[in-house]
Amino acid sequence: GAGVSQTPSNKVTEKGKYVELRCDPISGHTALYWYRQSLGQGPEFLIYFQGTGAADDSGLPNDRFFAVRPEGSVSTLKIQRTERGDSAVYLCASSSRLAGGLNTGELFFGEGSRLTVL
Amino acid sequence: TQLLEQSPQFLSIQEGENLTVYCNSSSVFSSLQWYRQEPGEGPVLLVTVVTGGEVKKLKRLTFQFGDARKDSSLHITAAQPGDTGLYLCAGGGDSWGKLQFGAGTQVVVTP
Repeated sequence: GAGVSQTPSNKVTEKGKYVELRCDPISGHTALYWYRQSLGQGPEFLIYFQGTGAADDSGLPNDRFFAVRPEGSVSTLKIQRTERGDSAVYLCASSSRLAGGLNTGELFFGEGSRLTVL
Repeated sequence: TQLLEQSPQFLSIQEGENLTVYCNSSSVFSSLQWYRQEPGEGPVLLVTVVTGGEVKKLKRLTFQFGDARKDSSLHITAAQPGDTGLYLCAGGGDSWGKLQFGAGTQVVVTP
């Protein structure tokens, strides 16, 4: 497809389980972002990749959260020992960096993966 | 903690009325973006403003960035049911793509 694709769209898991969420960005986009959106809140930044490397992971809440992008395209967000407070919609976005690096490029968001931890 | 405060949280109006939503912060941002999000979908970018005092118009939508680059407003003229959605403002800093989002204003336009 032409847009950002996220799978699964819905994931229900039990407390303590391990979860992987996948993001397939727009072809050719070098930058990829993960955000988390809790009910009634705006998206909250988690991590940003430029190519294969994590350029900024300052938003990851703790060491249970980890993300990879081994080939500079698809990314996986991994959550270990899930807790009920991890329940949220996890949004992925991609963008092309503008010349000059100004932070004005458009982020294209996927539809998100809704995670529910029971 | 949301550094950007959006008001009102919820707005319900009749088709044809005008509305304004606000986005305020104590922080200075290098850019300010407005998104609209519909249920079950990701946010979609409406506009980016980067210069203090900048005003941008997108059909019936007018966006303004405050002179000090700490606040912004979105004005919709003659609202239509298709304008219904969650309007989010997001401030950009030095790190590319690392946006600070507000909690959003839910706008409902009834026919």
